[in-house]
Parts: sequence; structure tokens; C-alpha cells
Amino acid sequence: DGGITQSPKYLFRKEGQNVTLSCEQNLNHDAMYWYRQDPGQGLRLIYYSQIVNDFQKGDIAEGYSVSREKKESFPLTVTSAQKNPTAFYLCASSILGDTQYFGPGTRLTVL
Amino acid sequence: QKEVEQNSGPLSVPEGAIASLNCTYSDRGSQSFFWYRQYSGKSPELIMFIYSNGDKEDGRFTAQLNKASQYVSLLIRDSQPSDSATYLCAVNRDYKLSFGAGTTVTVRA
Repeated sequence: DGGITQSPKYLFRKEGQNVTLSCEQNLNHDAMYWYRQDPGQGLRLIYYSQIVNDFQKGDIAEGYSVSREKKESFPLTVTSAQKNPTAFYLCASSILGDTQYFGPGTRLTVL
Repeated sequence: QKEVEQNSGPLSVPEGAIASLNCTYSDRGSQSFFWYRQYSGKSPELIMFIYSNGDKEDGRFTAQLNKASQYVSLLIRDSQPSDSATYLCAVNRDYKLSFGAGTTVTVRA
């Protein structure tokens, strides 16, 4: 069953904590993306990767980090430097230059 | 000026009517254009994409693109209660998507 999975579905973070959001795809897509969505707003690009072992900053990369060690996986770490991390986080993947498809999302809340 | 702007809504239409959604973009180098539907609390799902000027139809949905006017629209014909959602316009330039804030559509039974 092909698709994009994200875990966990809900995540709670304490002040000063780093947390890692998982994103896995079995679509054999080269490109993967992380977006953040705040209530009533569109999606904003955090990081993207077009190939294994390479990634680029998006529009709002500060306070976040990523890795791309495998084609299937693109985890996002929300560091303590991100001062307002409460949001809905969406991972997407695509054949390079083609339509992006989204995972189900992770809702992160700061306690 | 925002890169991608959508009519803010909310848009309320009666069942069976046509819902018209508009989107303008600022980057003339934009290469392809997408409409996603997002139900409350869920992730976006692709409805349609369009690359060339003109109309593209898929079932009850029609996307229209006018690159000279930097304008893309989505028409939903015979609107159904299941069409009630937020519709996101996305514009692609160099493998990166820029999204509008979305238009929320409510279809009244």
C-alpha cells in the first residue's frame, strides 16, 4: 500500500525540548518537503530535499533541522530555538518537478 | 504583496450551484498551478493541476489559467455538501510551491 506516513499524529513538547517528527514514503519519490500550517494560513515551506544527502532551507527554516540519509525518510527536528512551534506540520513528496502529495500531518503543541 | 493571494471567503453556496474560487500570483516565472482541497483537521489532497493557458476540466471541477493576467481559478459545478472544505491554490516555481491562505467553501443543503 503506497503512500506517505507521518508519526506521531499528535505531539506535545515542553519548553526547551527538541522533538523529531517522522516522515516516510514508499512512492519512490526523489523529492521530499516539510511545511508548517498555522490556523487560517496557507502552508509555509520549512525545508526540502531533492536528493539523498542534500537538502535546502525553505522560507522559515530557523529553529528547525532535517536529514535525508535514505530516499524514503525525511525527519524534521523542531529545536528549542523555535520559539513558536505550535502548528500543524505536513510532509510531502513528489517526483522532481511534479505534483506534491501530502502525508496525514503531525499536530505539535507546546505545553 | 503576497506571492499567492486568494479571495478570503468564506464562500457559501447552495447545493447544486457553481462555486467560483479565484487566485492571483505575483511571480511571472511560475510554471505550474495546483488546487488542493483540505478538510478541517486533515492534510491537503490534490484536486487538479494546470500548466497551460485555458481551461482544464475534470468531472465537476474546471481550472482556468490566464498567465498574462497572472490569474488561476477553480469552478465547482453542481456543488455538493461534501465539497465543503478549504481550497488552497499553489504555484510552482523551480520545484517549490507557494501557497495561498485558502478559501473556505460551505455548501448549504
